[in-house]
Amino acid sequence: SAVISQKPSRDICQRGTSLTIQCQVDSQVTMMFWYRQQPGQSLTLIATANQGSEATYESGFVIDKFPISRPNLTFSTLTVSNMSPEDSSIYLCSGGTAYEQYFGPGTRLTVT
Amino acid sequence: SQKIEQNSEALNIQEGKTATLTCNYTNYSPAYLQWYRQDPGRGPVFLLLIRENEKEKRKERLKVTFDTTLKQSLFHITASQPADSATYLCALDGSGGSYIPTFGRGTSLIVHP
Repeated sequence: SAVISQKPSRDICQRGTSLTIQCQVDSQVTMMFWYRQQPGQSLTLIATANQGSEATYESGFVIDKFPISRPNLTFSTLTVSNMSPEDSSIYLCSGGTAYEQYFGPGTRLTVT
Repeated sequence: SQKIEQNSEALNIQEGKTATLTCNYTNYSPAYLQWYRQDPGRGPVFLLLIRENEKEKRKERLKVTFDTTLKQSLFHITASQPADSATYLCALDGSGGSYIPTFGRGTSLIVHP
């Protein structure tokens, strides 16, 4: 198993600004993912963070809005750029394999 | 389009009873299905994976069935306890050959003492 931590746990940001969320895994994992979850809704995959190369984004998500880095096998960042109130959500990172993922506690983002 | 359905209404049961949660899917032919538990303010926690060629899988008080004909998985918790109260998510491997799972919305389980 793996333990995943995220920073910050929550933030309130102003429209037009950017926030970078950090995700740290306590052991090397093959894959890392970034999700978004609205209250009472399912997890929506934003992208797969690839080590040393560009992330693979899902339909509806673009690199300019959600740049992702993964410099090594235990760390990744997600930036939410030029934020609007519609970006208010919980952002979760996970690591592991497609067959078993370990999730961080999430970052609750509110954009005013 | 592919769709995963979990009951959006909370399931309320009495302690000691068996809780049964349902995950239905359409337009999928998943190779596997997963169940996760999510507590408020926390990320999901992996519970079980069942493959398409497996009918049933057990882990302690948990039992999962997978009926590819009915396109349905049932998730059972026997001898339920108030500590089992949480939201339970099912996830299927992605459509179009993607190995990355797609999650359902989850069903909230409330176990009353």
